[in-house]
Amino acid sequence: GAVVSQHPSRVICKSGTSVKIECRSLDFQATTMFWYRQFPKQSLMLMATSNEGSKATYEQGVEKDKFLINHASLTLSTLTVTSAHPEDSSFYICSARDKGAAYEQYFGPGTRLTVT
Amino acid sequence: DAKTTQPTSMDCAEGRAANLPCNHSTISGNEYVYWYRQIHSQGPQYIIHGLKNNETNEMASLIITEDRKSSTLILPHATLRDTAVYYCIVRGTLNTGTASKLTFGTGTRLQVTL
Repeated sequence: GAVVSQHPSRVICKSGTSVKIECRSLDFQATTMFWYRQFPKQSLMLMATSNEGSKATYEQGVEKDKFLINHASLTLSTLTVTSAHPEDSSFYICSARDKGAAYEQYFGPGTRLTVT
Repeated sequence: DAKTTQPTSMDCAEGRAANLPCNHSTISGNEYVYWYRQIHSQGPQYIIHGLKNNETNEMASLIITEDRKSSTLILPHATLRDTAVYYCIVRGTLNTGTASKLTFGTGTRLQVTL
């Protein structure tokens, strides 16, 4: 149980275009989902926290107008990278907190974004 | 959340126990110690967590010192598939308001060799 999926697993897009990444909790309800970014040979950096039905909370230094997060249901959150640039190329990882569990947080497999 | 310090890298022979240390000297009374690992190009995987007592599950054991200022993750019989970056994270309880955040440090890169 407790599986989180991400789609797509890899995406290549041209500079200036927008890309949407989906994060789904497959067998549990997630009131809270988190989005992380990881550059090569670096650790995961939290970008934002999204709660179902409300606006996301962004970490300092993360542009909310560039990284649009929508958490419309208890099983789906989306991250849209708008007007992507090569410096946005990274590994994007989501995680979801199980509504029924106090502390458990499960991670998705990640999405590799390459902007050319 | 308390900051953690881990060695940058460690090697371990396959079949041997891998002991990964973590210092968290500023941990407060209501903070848990969590361990995750990340195999290359995958999302992090939960391993184990604890508060005061030692914990064991099918993946690993967690030994927390009595003063809670450090802990050790033990993989009893390391295999090549255990090669990964291991993250030690200290996290508060839900009533602190930021308990769900996981702040990742640089972790320990464990290389298991034949």
